[in-house]
Amino acid sequence: GNSVTQMEGPVTLSEEAFLTINCTYTATGYPSLFWYVQYPGEGLQLLLKATKADDKGSNKGFEATYRKETTSFHLEKGSVQVSDSAVYFCGGGSGNTGKLIFGQGTTLQVKP
Amino acid sequence: EAGVAQSPRYKIIEKRQSVAFWCNPISGHATLYWYQQILGQGPKLLIQFQNNGVVDDSQLPKDRFSAERLKGVDSTLKIQPAKLEDSAVYLCASTFGQGYTEQYFGPGTRLTVT
Repeated sequence: GNSVTQMEGPVTLSEEAFLTINCTYTATGYPSLFWYVQYPGEGLQLLLKATKADDKGSNKGFEATYRKETTSFHLEKGSVQVSDSAVYFCGGGSGNTGKLIFGQGTTLQVKP
Repeated sequence: EAGVAQSPRYKIIEKRQSVAFWCNPISGHATLYWYQQILGQGPKLLIQFQNNGVVDDSQLPKDRFSAERLKGVDSTLKIQPAKLEDSAVYLCASTFGQGYTEQYFGPGTRLTVT
């Protein structure tokens, strides 16, 4: 079945450091891919998405490119801020019902 | 626009007791999802509704979990009887329609079973 694997955390960075959170997926076909963010005490929010190979999703300085050849959708940000501290979830569509399969989440802590 | 509402936010019960969670999706959203998020894991889909019909409940432990969306708007998820391993955050999400559109999540209900 479909699955999503993302790098384990926690990831601890200093403010203005470069961020990469790896995500790879296994699926039949080429599903849409998503990154969701969960701030403390809040629900998941869509951060960015890509619906086909070579698409780049971007939002709030975060980017991720849908790489079909490596089945990856790594999340990057050039300069993180303390306010980016949260849990990040990579997700992929499964089937044609809108069902999402999520990775286990990566906790990011940014220190001033 | 109002977001997805869930209640209660927190619940503590003893094993073998029953519990119910409520979700009110964003107005006009036909598709509603219930996810279970165990600590340290990503959300796992329990059940998906399209209006008041079930689209996918393959991961719902039907011997103890039940869910309904009678009027195609708000939904209730019930656990009876609860087990220790049911301790998790239960998330409700909604979308306008099926397919890979953005899912809007509620804040979740944190259940602790002792």
